[in-house]
Amino acid sequence: QVQLVQSGAEVRKPGASVKVSCRTSGRIFTYYTLHWIRQAPGQGLEWMGIIDPNSGGTGYAQKFQGRITMTSDTSTGTVYMELNSLTSEDTAVFYCAREPGHLKFHFDSWGQGTLVTVSS
Amino acid sequence: IVLTQSPGTLSLSPGERATLSCRASQNVNSASLAWYRQRPGQAPRLLIYGASSRATDIPDRISGSGSGTDFTLTINRLEPEDSAVYYCQQYKSPSHTFGQGTKLEIK
Repeated sequence: QVQLVQSGAEVRKPGASVKVSCRTSGRIFTYYTLHWIRQAPGQGLEWMGIIDPNSGGTGYAQKFQGRITMTSDTSTGTVYMELNSLTSEDTAVFYCAREPGHLKFHFDSWGQGTLVTVSS
Repeated sequence: IVLTQSPGTLSLSPGERATLSCRASQNVNSASLAWYRQRPGQAPRLLIYGASSRATDIPDRISGSGSGTDFTLTINRLEPEDSAVYYCQQYKSPSHTFGQGTKLEIK
């Protein structure tokens, strides 16, 4: 069974950056892409972007262009999402999620979520 | 593409049927329409993909249907464990979008 394990909760001040990790288990780096999705407190789900862990290719939602970077480390099976210039509106739970193949369009495995709190 | 879910909240009794709607602002490729369930404090879980295909271990009392701009998630024989928020999701290049969610309460 695919497992995505994320790093722990973070607290940042406005203007700072945060880097969240998502470690995959098993032989799952080969045929899929990983996405980052966030959920503000009491709100819905918001797609942030995609990374192909093998090629390192990325695509970001327009809203986050210029302040988000997704990277991968194939040696450890880990992907990272870094978000810069944080504001209080970035306070949210951040999830990594797997798209199980090219153009599958859905997310069949999710990490447990990482709470990022932005507060002065 | 904007996905609008209705109703916002649905309150039903065990054993009843729930019908959740997801309407798109323009035509959606059915292959890209999915449904998720999110229980409090948990990550979302995939229920339906490709508009009507059940994900692994999802019981057949949960089903999806629809095409074009109108999609439906149906849950038969409601159980207390069905209490959750349900989200639809679609992909049209270059972005994925989610509906705002329907909260299902089991009385």
